[in-house]
Amino acid sequence: AQSVTQLDSHVSVSEGTPVLLRCNYSSSYSPSLFWYVQHPNKGLQLLLKYTSAATLVKGINGFEAEFKKSETSFHLTKPSAHMSDAAEYFCVVSLGGSYIPTFGRGTSLIVHP
Amino acid sequence: GAVVSQHPSRVICKSGTSVKIECRSLDFQATTMFWYRQFPKKSLMLMATSNEGSKATYEQGVEKDKFLINHASLTLSTLTVTSAHPEDSSFYICSASSQGLQETQYFGPGTRLLVL
Repeated sequence: AQSVTQLDSHVSVSEGTPVLLRCNYSSSYSPSLFWYVQHPNKGLQLLLKYTSAATLVKGINGFEAEFKKSETSFHLTKPSAHMSDAAEYFCVVSLGGSYIPTFGRGTSLIVHP
Repeated sequence: GAVVSQHPSRVICKSGTSVKIECRSLDFQATTMFWYRQFPKKSLMLMATSNEGSKATYEQGVEKDKFLINHASLTLSTLTVTSAHPEDSSFYICSASSQGLQETQYFGPGTRLLVL
């Protein structure tokens, strides 16, 4: 069994300040973890993924996430927010094989000028 | 690489008609394709999973006779909304994955369906 919890439905930051989007997961086995971003009326774009290699994963647009097994977390961070980062972010856990990926409910990132 | 397209991007139809949405993997062979529905300001709701050459597996509560899914080749899956009604209006998104891509899902841009 697997599940994912995005702890915040909304996160509001000022432009130029750090971003932290939180994600916790539960899984019976070693999972693959993903972060996707969705801009309004668009499909989802893969930001980064963890698949049992390095625990600190660097993605596109300056985002990175750290897999912490002891805390069952996979939080998404960025040192400095841009206005263009305002979007919906989804954390996804997957066991691969015949298991269906599980989506978090999403976190809306709001960036103030 | 790993690009997925959807067509059409937007469609408006009359109640009672059927609408077909195509999902294509452009530069890889997708062993599995997923169809999602997304309501405003909500997460994605998985409708069905399809593997090439076999029948789709529908999630609980999704009417298989209403949402017909065909995965005829490794690069194409179609979703047909039959006898569409206004409550079927939504944003439909497909994704594709393969073992060669470490089973990462790559998403299409979505199709906005409006049923009048």
